[in-house]
Amino acid sequence: NAGVTQTPKFRVLKTGQSMTLLCAQDMNHEYMYWYRQDPGMGLRLIHYSVGEGTTAKGEVPDGYNVSRLKKQNFLLGLESAAPSQTSVYFCASTTSGANVLTFGAGSRLTVL
Amino acid sequence: DQQVKQNSPSLSVQEGRISILNCDYTNSMFDYFLWYKKYPAEGPTFLISISSIKDKNEDGRFTVFLNKSAKHLSLHIVPSQPGDSAVYFCAAMKTDSWGKLQFGAGTQVVVTP
Repeated sequence: NAGVTQTPKFRVLKTGQSMTLLCAQDMNHEYMYWYRQDPGMGLRLIHYSVGEGTTAKGEVPDGYNVSRLKKQNFLLGLESAAPSQTSVYFCASTTSGANVLTFGAGSRLTVL
Repeated sequence: DQQVKQNSPSLSVQEGRISILNCDYTNSMFDYFLWYKKYPAEGPTFLISISSIKDKNEDGRFTVFLNKSAKHLSLHIVPSQPGDSAVYFCAAMKTDSWGKLQFGAGTQVVVTP
């Protein structure tokens, strides 16, 4: 079982470039999440989805967009990257009614 | 405004001794609490949780204590082992909030031989 898979694992962007992070889960989970982790801070929720075709804003949504066209995939997009978006991004998923999230291994993004 | 706080960024403990990690929260609506463990270059993995209707939950070497009146929880690891060296995150949620977790900043635990 792969669980939650994130691609790419590493990426370096220049300011103003765009990119998409892909999250895929094979556990048939309804809920999916994107978090970012910065030094000295806990994981902060960017966006989340409670089902195919639905998305909602989390705590720090500005500068990001998301899409959930298929139940197993949750995409995080940066339209115009900024150095403040340098971070480690974690995708997570869980099933409806459950409280425990399963996380991917993370995607490290550096914006120069 | 951080609603979950882990005030100790690091903890060093000898192998075989007890590790005690602390966590405080400010939002009285939180009713479910979790601890996650994270190794370098990996995602957080679930360790143990506790509902607000309990004050203690135990799983092997790991015990979580909840003091609702003080808005405080702690994780005890006994005995500590070298493989326990990791970052530990405290997280809190409201059970009707679509699984959205609020995390503390983490505590780096180093277990020395």
